[in-house]
Order: sequence, then structure tokens, then C-alpha cells
Amino acid sequence: EVQLLESGGGLVQPGGTLTVSCVGSGFTFSNYAMSWVRQAPGKGLEWVSGISGSDGRIYYADSAKGRFTISRDNSKNTLYLEMSNLRAEDTAVYYCAKPRGDRGYQVLTHFQYWGQGTLVTVSS
Amino acid sequence: EVVLTQSPGTLSLYPGERATLSCRASQRVSSVYIAWYQQKPGQAPRLLMYAASTRATGIPDRFSGSGSGTDFTLTISRVEPEDFAVYYCQQYGGSPLTFGGGTKVEIK
Repeated sequence: EVQLLESGGGLVQPGGTLTVSCVGSGFTFSNYAMSWVRQAPGKGLEWVSGISGSDGRIYYADSAKGRFTISRDNSKNTLYLEMSNLRAEDTAVYYCAKPRGDRGYQVLTHFQYWGQGTLVTVSS
Repeated sequence: EVVLTQSPGTLSLYPGERATLSCRASQRVSSVYIAWYQQKPGQAPRLLMYAASTRATGIPDRFSGSGSGTDFTLTISRVEPEDFAVYYCQQYGGSPLTFGGGTKVEIK
């Protein structure tokens, strides 16, 4: 059974830095691109960033470029999102998401599996 | 960036009625790059459809998708009580991936 478990959310001050993590299980982690998708309270879904399984392809939304860094450690089956210079508008639930089985190579794709999310609150 | 506009914002229906949800793209998107999700309060999104008209694993056949070019539609033939939720379309034809603003299907 595929499972994605996010952690690391919390309260951070504007301008601060926070790293959220996602541990994947039930599949060969290195074979799959992964993404971060966020959802501000009461709002819709916004894709933030995606990374390929092992060949270094990375994409960012404009809202994340220059402030957020996506990375992964395949030996630990873990996906990361380091967020710096955080703003109030970054307050959201951050989900990690995984493609369907036959779309593992594609970073820019749709998502079959989602974690439960971790809440990041940016406030003084 | 491809902007996806969903309408209506809210759809009020009785159980058993037909639901028609629209997703309009700001530029042409190949139908192979359109997905639909369902989200209930406090839950992560659930993939319903991909490639515009292919149901994801375990999705009942009362859900169907169609469309091409810039106009895409998700139809629920007869809304069941468990279908009341928010629905999002997504395009994955290029970066950035984008989602529509959502359509809430509520009980009338």
C-alpha cells in the first residue's frame, strides 16, 4: 500500500525558514517523480514544485522560485521542501503527491496518491 | 501559464440529479493532459479522471469526463450523497502545473 507521510509544519515568523518532509512507503521511491502541492485555508490547490526520481529534473511555480528548494534523499525515501523568506501568503497545508504507477518518470503529471498534509503557518 | 476557470462556483443539487461541471482553459490544452479531483473537507484530493475521460482506479462509472481544446467537462450522471464535495480540474501539459479554482457540489 502506497503511503505518504508529511511532517515538519508549524508556526514560523515572516522572513523565516522552514523545511517540510515527506516519507514514502509501499513503492520504489527512486522510480517516481514527486511534487509538493499546497492549499491555503479555505482556498484551492496550488502546485509548488516537482522533482524527478533520480535524474535531477526540477520545476517550480513562480511563487516558489528563488525562495523554495525541493530535494530528495532516495536512500531515506524522503522528499523535502526547504522554504525561506516565508510570507503570510505561504500559509497553507502542504501536500506531497505521487503520480500513477505508469507515470513515474513524468514530473509534470497528475497525482494518484497524496499525503495527509502538513500545515505551515506564517505569522508574527 | 495556463489559467483554468471552473464554473459554476457552487452547484446545488438534489441526490439523484445530474451534475455538469465546466473547466475552461486560457489556451488550448491537449485532452491527454487534463485531470479531475474530488476533495472533501479535511481530506486530501482524490484523483477521479485523467486524460480528460479516463476514470482512475476505483472510480464509479457515474463519473465521466469529456472535452477538447479549451473546454472540458466532468459529469456525474446521478449524484450520490457521498459525491457532495469540491471538484478541481488540473492541466499537466507543461510547467507550471495549474488547477482550477474549484466547483463545490452541495446538497440542495
